[in-house]
Amino acid sequence: DADVTQTPRNRITKTGKRIMLECSQTKGHDRMYWYRQDPGLGLRLIYYSFDVKDINKGEISDGYSVSRQAQAKFSLSLESAIPNQTALYFCATSDLRDREPGELFFGEGSRLTVL
Amino acid sequence: EDQVTQSPEALRLQEGESSSLNCSYTVSGLRGLFWYRQDPGKGPEFLFTLYSAGEEKEKERLKATLTKKESFLHITAPKPEDSATYLCAVQGGYNTDKLIFGTGTRLQVFP
Repeated sequence: DADVTQTPRNRITKTGKRIMLECSQTKGHDRMYWYRQDPGLGLRLIYYSFDVKDINKGEISDGYSVSRQAQAKFSLSLESAIPNQTALYFCATSDLRDREPGELFFGEGSRLTVL
Repeated sequence: EDQVTQSPEALRLQEGESSSLNCSYTVSGLRGLFWYRQDPGKGPEFLFTLYSAGEEKEKERLKATLTKKESFLHITAPKPEDSATYLCAVQGGYNTDKLIFGTGTRLQVFP
């Protein structure tokens, strides 16, 4: 089983629908992140969390919200999806105790299409 | 503004044909430069961290180097299984743990 699991892996939805992407990890890491990847734009940080009580906005948080339900779970929500939120979304984790924050462990991605 | 530029966008090599990928960066106070490999349909996989100019890291056919302005990922005698997109990221500043990613170089190695 993967250390960082994302569900769903693929989702097609319509404009205005609420969507939740879920991430769970078995690595025991404190830090969790949500990134989105678009062709030609690279990976961009949406939100990140250093522990259950800590939530921080990234560079493109507008239109998104997150919930850190437990150390191992970090969910990303689109309250009212719009077509330009069509992208590949990645959850990632890191462990400050042993490594620099730049060493991230990524899930396999959730491909979201908003029609 | 912190920025990362990778070149070329795409690179096609014959098996055994060595080459280099470039990552140019501007960042205030570099804390680390990171290389990742991403296979199609997968999440990025960490390769190297470089912290200061002059540092080098190696892993199999890959060697990463760092100067004050850029990093190179040298691929020696590549094999088809080295085909992937290689991403560069930097971490800078003194009150942030955010990474700034480049758009990647898509490498294809043909037998």
